[in-house]
Amino acid sequence: DTAVSQTPKYLVTQMGNDKSIKCEQNLGHDTMYWYKQDSKKFLKIMFSYNNKELIINETVPNRFSPKSPDKAHLNLHINSLELGDSAVYFCASSQRESYNEQFFGPGTRLTVL
Amino acid sequence: AQSVSQHNHHVILSEAASLELGCNYSYGGTVNLFWYVQYPGQHLQLLLKYFSGDPLVKGIKGFEAEFIKSKFSFNLRKPSVQWSDTAEYFCAVNHRGGADGLTFGKGTHLIIQP
Repeated sequence: DTAVSQTPKYLVTQMGNDKSIKCEQNLGHDTMYWYKQDSKKFLKIMFSYNNKELIINETVPNRFSPKSPDKAHLNLHINSLELGDSAVYFCASSQRESYNEQFFGPGTRLTVL
Repeated sequence: AQSVSQHNHHVILSEAASLELGCNYSYGGTVNLFWYVQYPGQHLQLLLKYFSGDPLVKGIKGFEAEFIKSKFSFNLRKPSVQWSDTAEYFCAVNHRGGADGLTFGKGTHLIIQP
């Protein structure tokens, strides 16, 4: 059983396009996250979402927006894609009261041409 | 500002050598500490975690880490590495009970030579 899943696994697109990455968790967690891993393997938090609370990393461009249709899903929408958006994006989830141990999805490799 | 610093960006060892990867953090309040491993082309897997109690924690695959509060450190150790330990290792910290996500170190690329 997959705990945290993401689709698609690979995404290749042109500059200027709008794209979405989906994330689902079946762990019953109440908090979900998006991370970006750049070409140097550096991981950085982009968003965390806990019920009604959205915490945004101030360095994330407003072209990126998380959308949560329900507690088990946190999708990432990206508008007007740029070359610098090429990276691996990881979704994660945790239960806030349970020491925040995070479980990661398999990642989505986004390539912007 | 919150930060996590890993001392070694690249480490090359021979099989059976002992390993210690350094991690220091700068973080206010009560923290949780983690080490994650990322094998080539794969996602992040939790190696071990520290929340409270015994500062020496044991994880999977023979790894352990020691939390030294006075030094703000959480170093990862393994007495005898194997070729299969070749991977990227990340130290991470977050606030206990918060929803602010993990702050990661820049990672250590570990290569084990047979």
